[in-house]
Amino acid sequence: DQQVKQNSPSLSVQEGRISILNCDYTNSMFDYFLWYKKYPAEGPTFLISISSIKDKNEDGRFTVFLNKSAKHLSLHIVPSQPGDSAVYFCAASEDNRKLIWGLGTSLAVNP
Amino acid sequence: DVKVTQSSRYLVKRTGEKVFLECVQDMDHENMFWYRQDPGLGLRLIYFSYDVKMKEKGDIPEGYSVSREKKERFSLILESASTNQTSMYLCASSRTLSNSPLHFGNGTRLTVT
Repeated sequence: DQQVKQNSPSLSVQEGRISILNCDYTNSMFDYFLWYKKYPAEGPTFLISISSIKDKNEDGRFTVFLNKSAKHLSLHIVPSQPGDSAVYFCAASEDNRKLIWGLGTSLAVNP
Repeated sequence: DVKVTQSSRYLVKRTGEKVFLECVQDMDHENMFWYRQDPGLGLRLIYFSYDVKMKEKGDIPEGYSVSREKKERFSLILESASTNQTSMYLCASSRTLSNSPLHFGNGTRLTVT
């Protein structure tokens, strides 16, 4: 059973609008959450993380929100740009030996 | 910026061959990891190493071994390659095991025929 789920395999948004990518998890012991971006034929690139003691973390156009009671996190990209088109993975862990990955959401940002 | 370099982007090997995948990181990270990525299965941990000569099995170690003789280098070895080991292999490193992101190389696409 998947402990980290990204329920939307794909998402399409217009350039300049907000992209919201969602991730649900089942294990309440997870205390560190990460988002990665992956272009074809490249390795995943770390985007942003959040610890369970916070509910929000921002880095430029990227903001991650954590709702521990709902076991839900989301990544907001504002404004979306065509270069943001990629597959986005969320991951959750107690430590890096047990990093659990979602299957990814493919984001297409249309000019 | 952390740089993780995997020596080959694409490899084609025959069934039964011994295969070496090499990975080097330049940030003096203690921890290094080998994953494979397959469609519908996501990223799965094969092995990781938390220090020179130290290693632990991940979720799918069968058919693989690893070597870490120097801190910056972590090798994945397929003792006798099989077709079900055709995959994208990703190496990563991290500074600590907690609250520290993994930094990935660009991957090696291995095809076993």
